[in-house]
Amino acid sequence: AQKITQTQPGMFVQEKEAVTLDCTYDTSDPSYGLFWYKQPSSGEMIFLIYQGSYDQQNATEGRYSLNFQKARKSANLVISASQLGDSAMYFCAMRGANTNAGKSTFGDGTTLTVKP
Amino acid sequence: DAGVTQSPTHLIKTRGQQVTLRCSPKSGHDTVSWYQQALGQGPQFIFQYYEEEERQRGNFPDRFSGHQFPNYSSELNVNALLLGDSALYLCASSLRAGAYEQYFGPGTRLTVT
Repeated sequence: AQKITQTQPGMFVQEKEAVTLDCTYDTSDPSYGLFWYKQPSSGEMIFLIYQGSYDQQNATEGRYSLNFQKARKSANLVISASQLGDSAMYFCAMRGANTNAGKSTFGDGTTLTVKP
Repeated sequence: DAGVTQSPTHLIKTRGQQVTLRCSPKSGHDTVSWYQQALGQGPQFIFQYYEEEERQRGNFPDRFSGHQFPNYSSELNVNALLLGDSALYLCASSLRAGAYEQYFGPGTRLTVT
């Protein structure tokens, strides 16, 4: 079984500062992918960043980076230079290979509020 | 390049009724997955369709059923609606072979009264 844990129900950050959103995971799949999504109040799930379990380097996409620590089973999202438009719900998710291919398991999310 | 589309946007139904939600995948994608997202929670996997067959299923009762058409679009059907079925229903598309990436649609907000 796969499990994603996000322990921060809500986070606040000052505009232009960096923020880290925590995510830990558990899986028996030897190969898997880790994702972060942003969900504004409109409801659409917006893909932010992807990290493969065998990737040697941490993934980066613009202001987003994923701090992947495989031994600790953590995949924290770092947002640099926060903007007011970053205020939203953020979900960590994973998809496995083989029997779990195609099925994404999500955490309960972290609500990020960026203060001006 | 059209992304994932879903219809309708919002829906209000009465307990015991049946509902059908629709999804068109992103251009070039062949796999559709459905998720239920209750208020304040993360999405929960319902099932996945590929080659017009249900390939994987989450912990949802048989009241939840689906279909995939030859053009890869999909329907989610829910029978005998319960108040607890009120949620945002998200459709995601992907390529069966290769990338882990899934693209989500805007969702259908279902309210059961």
